[in-house]
Amino acid sequence: SYELTQPPSVSVSPGQTASITCSGDILGEKYVCWYQQKPGQSPVLIIYQDNKRPSGIPERFSGSNSGNTATLTIRGTQAVDEAEYYCQAWDRSTVVFGGGTKLTVL
Amino acid sequence: EVQLVQSGEEVKKAGESLKISCKGSGYSFTNYWIGWVRQMPGKGLEWMGIISPSDSDPRYSPSFQGKVTISADKSINTAYLQWSSLKASDTAMYYCVRRLAVAARIDWYFDLWGRGTLVIVSS
Repeated sequence: SYELTQPPSVSVSPGQTASITCSGDILGEKYVCWYQQKPGQSPVLIIYQDNKRPSGIPERFSGSNSGNTATLTIRGTQAVDEAEYYCQAWDRSTVVFGGGTKLTVL
Repeated sequence: EVQLVQSGEEVKKAGESLKISCKGSGYSFTNYWIGWVRQMPGKGLEWMGIISPSDSDPRYSPSFQGKVTISADKSINTAYLQWSSLKASDTAMYYCVRRLAVAARIDWYFDLWGRGTLVIVSS
């Protein structure tokens, strides 16, 4: 079965750029989306079709996808961005989620 | 307001049956598929399956095929997730999600999530 691999944790200082990776076999040939989940809340879609932002998502969130790796980038990271982030793709009629990355804003 | 409203927390015993619901409002229900995502305590997201409310045709993740049943009633804008015999390992938060029905075959993302239904199963 298809797998998406994310680092368990990423730390960033306020105002700096955070990058969260998501790896999978020929992932660049698939669409990747990203969700943000804060404690006690439902996930929220923040990136779809590799690099598109839904209405209401701040411009500091961006995405890219090439080769075997998709990347979520948060520029000017704020304390409110501290959350769990999940990548997701579709493979052979199955939706696949990455294991999640805990972003800590130190 | 566009939203998915899920039924409330459930506390059940192992072996019991359960059906939880997800009601769409503020949008055309049949223009979107409704899916279900499991999140076990302290764990990540797992896709369970999805249904087209237009034709009530469900698709299941191989991991959940035969373990749950997904259904929908478009007349009341509601989708369901049910178990015939719960296990303690079914204890989790269950989210319903929506996906645009006319999206491209490879384009899967969920733009709206319900608040989740917590299911607690005691052994």
